[in-house]
Amino acid sequence: NAGVTQTPKFRVLKTGQSMTLLCAQDMNHEYMYWYRQDPGMGLRLIHYSVGEGTTAKGEVPDGYNVSRLKKQNFLLGLESAAPSQTSVYFCASSSLGTAYGYTFGSGTRLTVV
Amino acid sequence: GNSVTQMEGPVTLSEEAFLTINCTYTATGYPSLFWYVQYPGEGLQLLLKATKADDKGSNKGFEATYRKETTSFHLEKGSVQVSDSAVYFCALITNSGGSNYKLTFGKGTLLTVNP
Repeated sequence: NAGVTQTPKFRVLKTGQSMTLLCAQDMNHEYMYWYRQDPGMGLRLIHYSVGEGTTAKGEVPDGYNVSRLKKQNFLLGLESAAPSQTSVYFCASSSLGTAYGYTFGSGTRLTVV
Repeated sequence: GNSVTQMEGPVTLSEEAFLTINCTYTATGYPSLFWYVQYPGEGLQLLLKATKADDKGSNKGFEATYRKETTSFHLEKGSVQVSDSAVYFCALITNSGGSNYKLTFGKGTLLTVNP
């Protein structure tokens, strides 16, 4: 009954450091998404994937890269972290079709100093 | 394109008060509509949904009716509890020529319920 699992839950980075956020889902969902949530901005889509081996840009992709080598995993990378990337990051997954909503992970709180 | 507009918060109510959070939308195609809830320090959870006009979604005492004529999906609860304090997001999803089933979210409404 894991659903969507994000690791790590918290992280502090120094400007210029790199890191990878991992998202894993056990529901055999085709679609996976990475969002960032900032105060007053709601949720903004960074990148998404419609299947294994595919990725696409969302609203705010700059400074991030993603990979989906396995259907159950969706990785979000920050190559050179900046303070503007301080945020809470959420991963989500969904089945095909408009009747389904998303299942969200519990989030990763990232601070870049 | 698709968009969701929901009432800006914060909304502060006393326990047992009636709650309405307004949500209107614009969409290409025929959307499904959702309300998500985010409790403090947690991710978003699906609260309720409706997939066609006049459908009523309901869960945990919350209700919302899909009104195509007014393009609205207002969230209501007859008697709120302190435990309902959270951020509520209205959202829609469409499939119009390969939209890839992306959810479009409103900006969220913070609800605080005082005892």
